[in-house]
Amino acid sequence: EVQLVESGGGLVQPGRSLKLSCAASGFTFSNYYMAWVRQAPKKGLEWVATISTSGSRTYYPDSVKGRFTISRDNAKSSLYLQMNSLKSEDTATYYCARHNGYDYWGQGVMVTVSS
Amino acid sequence: DIQMTQSPSLLSASVGDRVTLSCKASQNIYKYLNWYQQKLGEAPKLLIYYTNSLQTGIPSRFSGSGSGTDFTLTISSLQPEDVATYYCYQYNSGYTFGAGTKLELK
Repeated sequence: EVQLVESGGGLVQPGRSLKLSCAASGFTFSNYYMAWVRQAPKKGLEWVATISTSGSRTYYPDSVKGRFTISRDNAKSSLYLQMNSLKSEDTATYYCARHNGYDYWGQGVMVTVSS
Repeated sequence: DIQMTQSPSLLSASVGDRVTLSCKASQNIYKYLNWYQQKLGEAPKLLIYYTNSLQTGIPSRFSGSGSGTDFTLTISSLQPEDVATYYCYQYNSGYTFGAGTKLELK
């Protein structure tokens, strides 16, 4: 059974950093592009980042480019999102998802950016 | 950037109704469109990929159609468990979600 379990969320002050993790199991992690998608409270979904199978290629929307970094450790079947210079508008539930059409999602982890 | 517009934003329907949700792209996305269902407090679930392919395990009452800029998700006979918000998503150029259609029971 495919499982994606996020961790690392919490309350952080504006301008500070936070790193999210996603532990994958039930499939060959190294064979799939992976992604992060977020959802602000009572809002819609927003793609945040995508990473290739080897980690050599990464993709971001303008809203987070230069502040967020997606990475992966295929030996540990783990996905990461380093978030720097956080803003209040980054407050959201962050989901890790298999980029194969987002066919599998984690349960999500909440990030609150507030002073 | 490609914008995705979903309509209506809120839809009320009765059990057994045939329900149609619309999604329009700001430019041609061919058939690179998925549909997701999100129930309250849960992660989204993939329903339809590449416009009209039903994801494994999804009931056959769900179907998708369209191409280019106009797309439709149809539920042939609405069930109580279908109450959710539905999102379309394009992956032809970048990755963009629509704002969602909230489906409730009348």
